[in-house]
Amino acid sequence: DTGVSQDPRHKITKRGQNVTFRCDPISEHNRLYWYRQTLGQGPEFLTYFQNEAQLEKSRLLSDRFSAERPKGSFSTLEIQRTEQGDSAMYLCASSLFSGVGSYNEQFFGPGTRLTVL
Amino acid sequence: GNSVTQMEGPVTLSEEAFLTINCTYTATGYPSLFWYVQYPGEGLQLLLKATKADDKGSNKGFEATYRKETTSFHLEKGSVQVSDSAVYFCALSDSGSGYALNFGKGTSLLVTP
Repeated sequence: DTGVSQDPRHKITKRGQNVTFRCDPISEHNRLYWYRQTLGQGPEFLTYFQNEAQLEKSRLLSDRFSAERPKGSFSTLEIQRTEQGDSAMYLCASSLFSGVGSYNEQFFGPGTRLTVL
Repeated sequence: GNSVTQMEGPVTLSEEAFLTINCTYTATGYPSLFWYVQYPGEGLQLLLKATKADDKGSNKGFEATYRKETTSFHLEKGSVQVSDSAVYFCALSDSGSGYALNFGKGTSLLVTP
């Protein structure tokens, strides 16, 4: 299967702990996006990378959140000092971006469900 | 800023009924519009898309037409099946935020035999 994969699928942690999630995009895709989805809501954009460069972060991405994409391959999303409000599904998507005006279909992974106790 | 509003669910229909899920959007530019579907226990999948005004996206019997004059992208299907039970998300993207998707809240559809 050459789709987007995420690990772990589920994470339960205690408030104040740090957690890290991993996303492996489709291999030839140069763009990688992170979204957060809370119960009953649609996914909300957090940040995106083009290759290894993080090009934008939304206001939802507080200082406790950090994301990396070393070498433009897999990406990690770390949450430090977790809070109960961080409980959500964290989704990763990748796409092959070929320039402004081009169509940019995003393929989603299955998500990592985080529960902060 | 950009936003998407879609009808609230849940929507419950009998098999072979006609489906409409309303979606309207607000955007400053000329976005592309999408419908994504999330089946129980699965990830988001692109159902259909339209990249410019008057385009019609279609897939698996679902259709939606990009209406710039009414800023709408309503999802329709003539005859739903039990297997269509899922959550449907309307979304838009434009060059802002690197073409990140801006989703509506989702509409849950349950089709009964």
